[in-house]
Amino acid sequence: DAGITQSPRHKVTETGTPVTLRCHQTENHRYMYWYRQDPGHGLRLIHYSYGVKDTDKGEVSDGYSVSRSKTEDFLLTLESATSSQTSVYFCAIAAGTGTYEQYFGPGTRLTVT
Amino acid sequence: AQSVTQPDIHITVSEGASLELRCNYSYGATPYLFWYVQSPGQGLQLLLKYFSGDTLVQGIKGFEAEFKRSQSSFNLRKPSVHWSDAAEYFCAVGLILTGGGNKLTFGTGTQLKVEL
Repeated sequence: DAGITQSPRHKVTETGTPVTLRCHQTENHRYMYWYRQDPGHGLRLIHYSYGVKDTDKGEVSDGYSVSRSKTEDFLLTLESATSSQTSVYFCAIAAGTGTYEQYFGPGTRLTVT
Repeated sequence: AQSVTQPDIHITVSEGASLELRCNYSYGATPYLFWYVQSPGQGLQLLLKYFSGDTLVQGIKGFEAEFKRSQSSFNLRKPSVHWSDAAEYFCAVGLILTGGGNKLTFGTGTQLKVEL
């Protein structure tokens, strides 16, 4: 248990509405990540953060933005949700040897109708 | 860009039988390699990792993996599978970032079914 919580755990929303997912960690980790998981694609990196207010894009960042105003929280926002963003979203932190090991939260299942 | 291939989408083994899950990677330098397991409805759990050194690495739950540079492979093995090992398994390669930390690229996963 890497002390990661995600909220909400489940959400159903309508196309075009904004959605914010929250990742919260309790152990002061510097690196945080957002992935999405879809059948046949494994997990794909959306955005990551290497410190407060320091973020960068991953491979599937279009339609997503992130913010990190304090160490413990990393927010993922879908400005205008689309059906293609229906997915399971995982947050992760980096820890362990050289901070190269990533540990995952329980996930948020998002359905966009 | 790095990539990971897991050629087997589904594998079924009998309880007590041995298991090998295949993983091939593409990466320009010495890779950092990982295996994760995901039980239904759960997050991912790190099974084991390879950074350098001994090419045979041991992980949790009795799993091991062998790094073979010549074959660009990092196959996961277990001598005797238990019914509780039924899950989805993901191989990943890490790209080290200049400022520290890394970005993971995952394979598409192998779903393991265990027959009793």
